[in-house]
Amino acid sequence: NAGVTQTPKFRVLKTGQSMTLLCAQDMNHEYMYWYRQDPGMGLRLIHYSVGEGTTAKGEVPDGYNVSRLKKQNFLLGLESAAPSQTSVYFCASSYSSGRATGELFFGEGSRLTVL
Amino acid sequence: AQSVTQPDIHITVSEGASLELRCNYSYGATPYLFWYVQSPGQGLQLLLKYFSGDTLVQGIKGFEAEFKRSQSSFNLRKPSVHWSDAAEYFCAVGNYNQGGKLIFGQGTELSVKP
Repeated sequence: NAGVTQTPKFRVLKTGQSMTLLCAQDMNHEYMYWYRQDPGMGLRLIHYSVGEGTTAKGEVPDGYNVSRLKKQNFLLGLESAAPSQTSVYFCASSYSSGRATGELFFGEGSRLTVL
Repeated sequence: AQSVTQPDIHITVSEGASLELRCNYSYGATPYLFWYVQSPGQGLQLLLKYFSGDTLVQGIKGFEAEFKRSQSSFNLRKPSVHWSDAAEYFCAVGNYNQGGKLIFGQGTELSVKP
């Protein structure tokens, strides 16, 4: 039972390079999210999706793009990486409504360093 | 503005001692409240949640939390801490209409002394 899987787990980029983080979930969840975690700041929502083909901005969307072409996958892209995007990125998924609302299932994180 | 504050960045307790981690929130709508735990190098795992009803909620691993509306607090407690409880703990707030768009606190790192 894989749950939420993120790839890659580690990546080092140079300023200006691009990359894509892949998130896959096998729980048939409608909702998926990308958060970033920085020391002393908790987790902040970058983008999220409430279903296949839909995406929306979160709290800190600038510099990132996302796509949800398949229900089980949620991609996070950095078109031109900046040192300020050095962070640990977490993907999460959840059911869409009811008492499961807000119960997020997280991946193990992807540590990105931008030099 | 909606926010979650965890006043303690780092707490150290002795194994077997009791634990209380503080969480205060500011939220316009009826809040859903959560505590998540993050072990080193891992993602976050849900400990417990409060939606409505009994203000004392029980979670996994022997944790409990009490919702106090008058104090806008949702403190996490455990009567006897185990060394394996060393981790970072996050309080979060959301709302039924917001799905999983949670607002997280800054986190409290718990160290356990033998």
